[in-house]
Parts: sequence; structure tokens; C-alpha cells
Amino acid sequence: QVQLVQSGAEVRKPGASVKVSCKASGYTFIRYDINWVRQAPGQGLEWMGWMNPNSGHTGYAQKFQGRVTMTRDTSKSTAHMELSGLRSEDTAIYYCARVTNLRGVRELDPFDIWGQGTMVTVSS
Amino acid sequence: SYVLTQPPSVSVAPGTTADVSCGGDDIRTKNVHWYQQKPGQAPVLVIYYDSARPSGIPGRFSGANSGNTATLTIGGVEAGDEAVYSCQVWDDDNHHWVFGGGTKLTVL
Repeated sequence: QVQLVQSGAEVRKPGASVKVSCKASGYTFIRYDINWVRQAPGQGLEWMGWMNPNSGHTGYAQKFQGRVTMTRDTSKSTAHMELSGLRSEDTAIYYCARVTNLRGVRELDPFDIWGQGTMVTVSS
Repeated sequence: SYVLTQPPSVSVAPGTTADVSCGGDDIRTKNVHWYQQKPGQAPVLVIYYDSARPSGIPGRFSGANSGNTATLTIGGVEAGDEAVYSCQVWDDDNHHWVFGGGTKLTVL
């Protein structure tokens, strides 16, 4: 079945970096954009950015510009999100999500498949 | 930055109708998507493009969008509908997705 499976929980110290993986299966990986969304404890969803797995092109939320990098390994149908300069406020569950191709417009189409989430804890 | 405002909580009795609102400036001009998130689980798309339902989502779920408010309506609410519901739109000016803060639906 179509699914996104993410890497396991991570613990980092302030100032460190973390890289989260998202492996796609059940569909052609390069045909659907991947977005990353995070959720701090008890808080709402926060969008981080998108990546086109075919071209590698990315777009990041201004809040994360300079700290986030989204990449992919097409041979493994896997997307990666790396966040650097971690601080305690980055403690959250990080989700990858696939964009549908209902209209084929990145800025319009919703997210139809989500990974299970990866808990990242930043603590000294 | 575009802001979406949702009530923190909505409570209804089983079998009744729940309306979850999502307020935004002239939101009628935007495409609104809705997600359901149960505790410890990832979000699930329940309504897209204001009022369309993905396959597998019961017909009890519907959506509307006019003026400054988009609304998710759940008819014949069941205990299993207890979850946090979040709306989503694309902010054209800042080129990013925006989510509402989420509304916790409690079935009394």
C-alpha cells in the first residue's frame, strides 16, 4: 500500500543538527512532492517546506531559511530533512507528507499521505 | 503573514452536528483543506478544496467556504470522531502553507 515510513526518534543537544528520513513505498516516488510539517508538544501543525523529488527543487518557510535542508535519494525512494542549529523550541514531532496531484499545482493540492512522525528532542 | 483562526474546542452530543470554523481574511478566495488528527497519530485528510471528500471518508463530513469563514461540518457525530481538526490554506503573499491552530472536538 502507499505509505511513508520515517526514521526513529532522535535526541540532540542544543546547537547540533538532526536528519530525519522518510521512505516512500507503493507509488512512484519522483511523481509527488514531499512536504515537511512539524508539531511541537500540545501545539498545532507548522509547515517547514517542500521538495520536488524529481528535480530536487525545494522551497522553505522563511522561518527555517538557512537552517533547514531537504534532499532526496531517488535510488532509495527516500526524502530527508536536516535541521541545524537546534534549540529547545525545535523539540517536536516532524512529519513528512505527500502532496496529491489532484490539480498538479503545488500551492493548491492537499497532503494525502503522511508519515508516522519522528520525535526530535532537543535537550542539554 | 496570513492567519487562520480556529476555536480551541467544540463539544457536542453523539448523533448531533458539529461545526468547526476556520476564520481568515477573505478566506472565500482560498482553497481550504481539513485534517483530522487523533492522539498519537498523524493527520488524515478529511476535506479538500473546501468541500470535496477523499475516498474512505464518510459522507457525514462536509465543508463550506464563504466570506471570512470556512466550516467543517460533521453530521451524526460518533465517539470515534473525537480528534483535533485543523484547516490549511496556501498564503500567496508569503509563498507558504498555513495551518489553523486546531480545534479539539469532544463528543459528550
